Amino acid sequence: QLVLTQSSSASASLGASVKLTCTLSSEHSTYAIVWHQQQPEKGPRFLMKLNNDGSHTKGDGVPDRFSGSSSGPERYLTISSLQSEDEADYYCQTWGTGIRGVFGGGTKLTVL
Amino acid sequence: EMQLVESGGGLVQSGGSLRLSCVASGFTFNNYNMNWVRQAPGKGLEWVSFITTDINPIYYADSVKGRFTISRDNAKNSVYLQMNSLTAEDTAMYYCARGDGSIDLWGQGTPVTVSS
Repeated sequence: QLVLTQSSSASASLGASVKLTCTLSSEHSTYAIVWHQQQPEKGPRFLMKLNNDGSHTKGDGVPDRFSGSSSGPERYLTISSLQSEDEADYYCQTWGTGIRGVFGGGTKLTVL
Repeated sequence: EMQLVESGGGLVQSGGSLRLSCVASGFTFNNYNMNWVRQAPGKGLEWVSFITTDINPIYYADSVKGRFTISRDNAKNSVYLQMNSLTAEDTAMYYCARGDGSIDLWGQGTPVTVSS
């Protein structure tokens, strides 16, 4: 079964960096994923598509502070120089045959 | 500017029906597959349904299969979600989203509340 696993919460200080993790089920370890950001009381926003080899394509207007990387079944979102507006929920998403949307449970990022 | 705007949400009694609409602008709608995704209050994102540019194939989450129907009208740049036999578990914000697997554009959502 295609499953994405995320930590429920993370925190980091203003101006620091944070690395969020999304883990694919073992038999799907080569799948690409997408990272989405959802700020409080807002709809989700596409951040980037992240491939198995770590290459990624960001959405329009996504700051350079946001980057992605991969290692085995793990997909990472790194946010550097944290700003207050980065406090949000971050979801990873992938897809498979016959099912177009599989979401991780989301990570709530708190900027201290 | 590329945009998706949902409408049609509201308050409905358990067992009732509702039809959601999503109008696209700023891009060539008939070149893109589309999705509906929902988010229950305080919960994460749940994919609901998917439709291709030429309406085949169509996929549904198990939780809505047999009750919800997705459709589209390329001439109106619109995608729809007909929701029947609604229950309290269908209470959520419903988002229209563009993409074939990789979702890359979201609407602002339309709220659906099912009262029991």
